[in-house]
Amino acid sequence: GAVVSQHPSWVICKSGTSVKIECRSLDFQATTMFWYRQFPKQSLMLMATSNEGSKATYEQGVEKDKFLINHASLTLSTLTVTSAHPEDSSFYICSARGQGGYEQYFGPGTRLTVT
Amino acid sequence: QKEVEQNSGPLSVPEGAIASLNCTYSDRGSQSFFWYRQYSGKSPELIMSIYSNGDKEDGRFTAQLNKASQYVSLLIRDSQPSDSATYLCAVNDRDDKIIFGKGTRLHILP
Repeated sequence: GAVVSQHPSWVICKSGTSVKIECRSLDFQATTMFWYRQFPKQSLMLMATSNEGSKATYEQGVEKDKFLINHASLTLSTLTVTSAHPEDSSFYICSARGQGGYEQYFGPGTRLTVT
Repeated sequence: QKEVEQNSGPLSVPEGAIASLNCTYSDRGSQSFFWYRQYSGKSPELIMSIYSNGDKEDGRFTAQLNKASQYVSLLIRDSQPSDSATYLCAVNDRDDKIIFGKGTRLHILP
């Protein structure tokens, strides 16, 4: 149980375009989803926390207008990187937590390359 | 500033030996504690959670928690080369946010 999927697993886009990443909880209802970014050989960086049906809470320094998060259902959250730039190239990972649960389960991640 | 501290390593352990990974945390109100394993280029995988003082065993893994000392550890018995990875300690703080440590790189020597 507690499986989280992400799509796509990798994506290459041109500078200035937008990219949408989907995160799905496959066998549980995720009341809270988290989005992280990880640069090579660096630690996880929490970008934002989203609760189903509510606006996401962004961490300090993360531009909410650039990283659009939608958590419209208990099994799906999306992250849209708008007007992507090469410095946005990174490994984006979502995680999900069920109602009343304490454990976070991670998706496999999406590797974004902006050219 | 709530913190979770880990030695970055690398920690080198001979195959078959016990690997001991340690973690300290700053928020005394923390109630939930987790160990994740992350292979290079992959996302973290939850391997252990512990909520009360003492030891919790799952196969070759044992998590140990001492809330008075604000200390969590993970023991891996009979270490295998496949255990080579970065191990992340994570702590749920009183605001229900998970704080991750920077991870300890473990290298099992064949």
